[in-house]
Amino acid sequence: RKEVEQDPGPFNVPEGATVAFNCTYSNSASQSFFWYRQDCRKEPKLLMSVYSSGNEDGRFTAQLNRASQYISLLIRDSKLSDSATYLCVVNGDGGFKTIFGAGTRLFVKA
Amino acid sequence: DVKVTQSSRYLVKRTGEKVFLECVQDMDHENMFWYRQDPGLGLRLIYFSYDVKMKEKGDIPEGYSVSREKKERFSLILESASTNQTSMYLCASQDRGLAYEQYFGPGTRLTVT
Repeated sequence: RKEVEQDPGPFNVPEGATVAFNCTYSNSASQSFFWYRQDCRKEPKLLMSVYSSGNEDGRFTAQLNRASQYISLLIRDSKLSDSATYLCVVNGDGGFKTIFGAGTRLFVKA
Repeated sequence: DVKVTQSSRYLVKRTGEKVFLECVQDMDHENMFWYRQDPGLGLRLIYFSYDVKMKEKGDIPEGYSVSREKKERFSLILESASTNQTSMYLCASQDRGLAYEQYFGPGTRLTVT
């Protein structure tokens, strides 16, 4: 079993749609959680951190369920510019043990 | 803004050559990382360093070595390049703190023929 597993993509959605990505992690001692975004042929960049209480940044909402070892990312009112690969990232002990999910590809179409 | 730069965007080398990939960050970060990214496999950690002259193996260190002589610079060395080392190589830096965000360089696409 992979340490971090994400929904297989690709997701193809129309503009304005709401789309949700899921991610599960295997190490219950994991301490911090993130979503990164990676555009085609570019480096990953932090989209948002994920907190236990859930957090929102504009159209993006991230949630963490420690009991189920599950992270989610919700994108509302999808834009063409949201087309990218979304990486679920889990940090373990001291931040050195960082595990990246394989990513979920999103295509938003007009 | 944090800036992480890598020495080359594209590199083509022959099997058996020694290859040096350099990474420089300008934010005085303690931690630096080297990853490779392959389709379907995501990012895999090769080596990381949490201080000058300190290094730790990641998940796939075989065939690679690293050097960190200065805080801002972290080099990845392929001692004898092989075709299975054809990949995208990404360097990242990270402040030693609770934030744990990693900042990535633009990547080096290495092709070994």
